[in-house]
Amino acid sequence: SYELTQPPSVSVSPGQTARITCSGDALPKQYAYWYQQKPGQAPVLVIYKDSERPSGIPERFSGSSSGTTVTLTISGVQAEDEADYYCQSADSSGTYKVFGGGTKLTVL
Amino acid sequence: EVQLVESGGGLVQPGGSLRLSCAASGFTFSSYWMSWVRQAPGKGLEWVANIKQDGSEKYYVDSVKGRFTISRDNAKNSLYLQMNSLRAEDTAVYYCARRSDILTGALDYWGQGTLVTVSS
Repeated sequence: SYELTQPPSVSVSPGQTARITCSGDALPKQYAYWYQQKPGQAPVLVIYKDSERPSGIPERFSGSSSGTTVTLTISGVQAEDEADYYCQSADSSGTYKVFGGGTKLTVL
Repeated sequence: EVQLVESGGGLVQPGGSLRLSCAASGFTFSSYWMSWVRQAPGKGLEWVANIKQDGSEKYYVDSVKGRFTISRDNAKNSLYLQMNSLRAEDTAVYYCARRSDILTGALDYWGQGTLVTVSS
């Protein structure tokens, strides 16, 4: 079955830039999405279509794509950004959806 | 305001059945694909199933095929997940989510989830 691979954890100091990667063979063909999840809460969409930001999401969140890897970048990280982040995409057919294993962002 | 409210979770024995519901409001339910996503305790998100606007297409993750059935009632603005032959590994919070074609298939709204515990 298709898998997306994320690093388990990323740590940054406030004001620095955090980068979270997600790798998968079908990413050149399928859009990627990023979700933020804080403890005890439902996920929130922060990036769609690889690099688009939904309304209401701060400009410090951005996304990019290169080959089989997509990256979520959080510029000027704030304490409130501490959360789990999940990438999501689909297999090459587009039919079956998949989430990455998640990355815990720690703000030091 | 878009709202998705799940219900129907609870404690069930292995091999048992449970039916989850998701009540939708604040948008034209019949115009959207809908999804179920689950999260085992302390674990990551797992996509479970999708259903097309008119119910004509349904897709499932391999681990639930033949055991779970996704369905919808557009007249009642409701999404369902019938879960049979439940296993311990099905223990999770189950979220319903709206899939937005405008946002190229992103899950743009999520409910708060309902907990399913499979244990004897």
